[in-house]
Amino acid sequence: EAGVAQSPRYKIIEKRQSVAFWCNPISGHATLYWYQQILGQGPKLLIQFQNNGVVDDSQLPKDRFSAERLKGVDSTLKIQPAKLEDSAVYLCASSLASLGIRETQYFGPGTRLLVL
Amino acid sequence: GQSLEQPSEVTAVEGAIVQINCTYQTSGFYGLSWYQQHDGGAPTFLSYNALDGLEETGRFSSFLSRSDSYGYLLLQELQMKDSASYFCAFRSYNTDKLIFGTGTRLQVFP
Repeated sequence: EAGVAQSPRYKIIEKRQSVAFWCNPISGHATLYWYQQILGQGPKLLIQFQNNGVVDDSQLPKDRFSAERLKGVDSTLKIQPAKLEDSAVYLCASSLASLGIRETQYFGPGTRLLVL
Repeated sequence: GQSLEQPSEVTAVEGAIVQINCTYQTSGFYGLSWYQQHDGGAPTFLSYNALDGLEETGRFSSFLSRSDSYGYLLLQELQMKDSASYFCAFRSYNTDKLIFGTGTRLQVFP
């Protein structure tokens, strides 16, 4: 079974530029998550999709971050314009369901973003 | 608020046993999970405690005590490949999202 795919793996941009990340979840997984992981910290949820609907985006900086999940499969996360503090690893994860029972999230390899 | 605290770093030698503690604050949660993350890698699921007590999965065991707001991950027969960061996490009743702890970096020496 293929895992969660993300691209690109690395990205270096200058502040105020735009950047987009792509995620392809595990086939059949209804729930997709985007996390931001700053060096030395645990992942922080940015947005959660259930199929193609947003379940939680309370921690997404909506003035500069946007995300979509067309057709309930692939997803893109965009930052426009980027700030220095956006330098982090952006992790995509997926799970079969988002219920509060035992549920395992499978993470992709992440995209390492450096904003100069 | 909701938070999980872990020691920042733990060191041990090959073959030893190490315990990584996790203390948390929340008004209610479904269970405590543990994830492993190697440098430059993705977090991978290790263990889950829905109920109080010990869960054993091979060399790894995880423990939860809701009354003490405390859990731990126990790693036995340490191997060099166990050098990684370990995160505890819970999904709270209020927000229904997975909240990760601060992470513990484990270094295993020969």
